Amino acid sequence: DAGITQSPRYKITETGRQVTLMCHQTWSHSYMFWYRQDLGHGLRLIYYSAAADITDKGEVPDGYVVSRSKTENFPLTLESATRSQTSVYFCASSVQVLNTEAFFGQGTRLTVV
Amino acid sequence: GENVEQHPSTLSVQEGDSAVIKCTYSDSASNYFPWYKQELGKRPQLIIDIRSNVGEKKDQRIAVTLNKTAKHFSLHITETQPEDSAVYFCAATPTADSWGKLQFGAGTQVVVTP
Repeated sequence: DAGITQSPRYKITETGRQVTLMCHQTWSHSYMFWYRQDLGHGLRLIYYSAAADITDKGEVPDGYVVSRSKTENFPLTLESATRSQTSVYFCASSVQVLNTEAFFGQGTRLTVV
Repeated sequence: GENVEQHPSTLSVQEGDSAVIKCTYSDSASNYFPWYKQELGKRPQLIIDIRSNVGEKKDQRIAVTLNKTAKHFSLHITETQPEDSAVYFCAATPTADSWGKLQFGAGTQVVVTP
């Protein structure tokens, strides 16, 4: 009963490095999302996906890349990490496109030094 | 796009008192308004939601009200307990081209003191 899991839970990386955050869900939910959480900003959408090979930008996509080759996985890549990308990242999934609960992973705390 | 504003940013209440958090939204097409609770170091979890065809919904000690005309909705927690201490987020989902995207408010830190 894993549900939705993220890895790693904690990551420290240097400015300019590429880093990938992993998200895996076992429910076969069609819709998956990446949010970042920063104090005073709540949860802001980075990217979302409606199905395998279908992704689109959210509110704050700059500096991030996503892919979704399989329904269950939705990795988020920071191509060249910057200090402003220090944040807590949450992956989420939902079974339908509208008006249904989003289930969140446990989060990844990323620090860029 | 949708803009959700949430107030207050922090709320301190005595155990047993009520807590009220208010949110406003900008997109009149929004029709789904969930509330998420996030305990310290944990993931956000849905606690209650309301759809635009309903004015009020209750679940034990929590309730949500929606005023579509004024474009605001509120979370009410009665008889607060220490375990209610958490950050609460409101959210809204517009209908058109939303793909289930949630627009979140900035959050309210609720502290319940014994």
